[in-house]
Amino acid sequence: AQKVTQAQTEISVVEKEDVTLDCVYETRDTTYYLFWYKQPPSGELVFLIRRNSFDEQNEISGRYSWNFQKSTSSFNFTITASQVVDSAVYFCALSEFPNSGNTPLVFGKGTRLSVIA
Amino acid sequence: GAVVSQHPSRVICKSGTSVKIECRSLDFQATTMFWYRQFPKQSLMLMATSNEGSKATYEQGVEKDKFLINHASLTLSTLTVTSAHPEDSSFYICSAHPLGQTYEQYFGPGTRLTVT
Repeated sequence: AQKVTQAQTEISVVEKEDVTLDCVYETRDTTYYLFWYKQPPSGELVFLIRRNSFDEQNEISGRYSWNFQKSTSSFNFTITASQVVDSAVYFCALSEFPNSGNTPLVFGKGTRLSVIA
Repeated sequence: GAVVSQHPSRVICKSGTSVKIECRSLDFQATTMFWYRQFPKQSLMLMATSNEGSKATYEQGVEKDKFLINHASLTLSTLTVTSAHPEDSSFYICSAHPLGQTYEQYFGPGTRLTVT
């Protein structure tokens, strides 16, 4: 069975600090996708990144960066120089590679990030 | 980019009534749509998989007679909460997979249901 663990329930940082959100996953599949989503108070999910299991390259997008380590089954997310607008709940998610049809996402419990001015 | 809409965005209904929530893919066709439920301060949990032209597949513990899903066209899936009770109050989110694509999916903005 697939499982995503986000051990940090809530994190509070002061603006301009760097913060890392942890994500550990479990799957029996050798091929899978990992995702991060942001959920602001409005509730709408904002897609941040998708990574497939073949691609272990770290990625940077502006103040966001992701560290994918297959050896430890982790896909951590770092926000550099955090801003108040980064305050939201962040979800890590996993889906198996679809051999036929489409597959749903399995979400972690989420990490609530509060950035204080 | 691909857009998925949900209607209504918020609904308040009385206990015992039924509520229909629509999920539409606005600029693409989707053979598969998923319905998730999110209770306050909790994660998103898959409720059911909706396939165009066939019966929905429900996750364990989700009552198919209570949560009726209809995927009558390639751009529309509906979730009807029948005989709603306060414990059904939740945030319902759908996602749609574009026809011919295997891993792309797009989420709707969600529908907040409150049953009084």
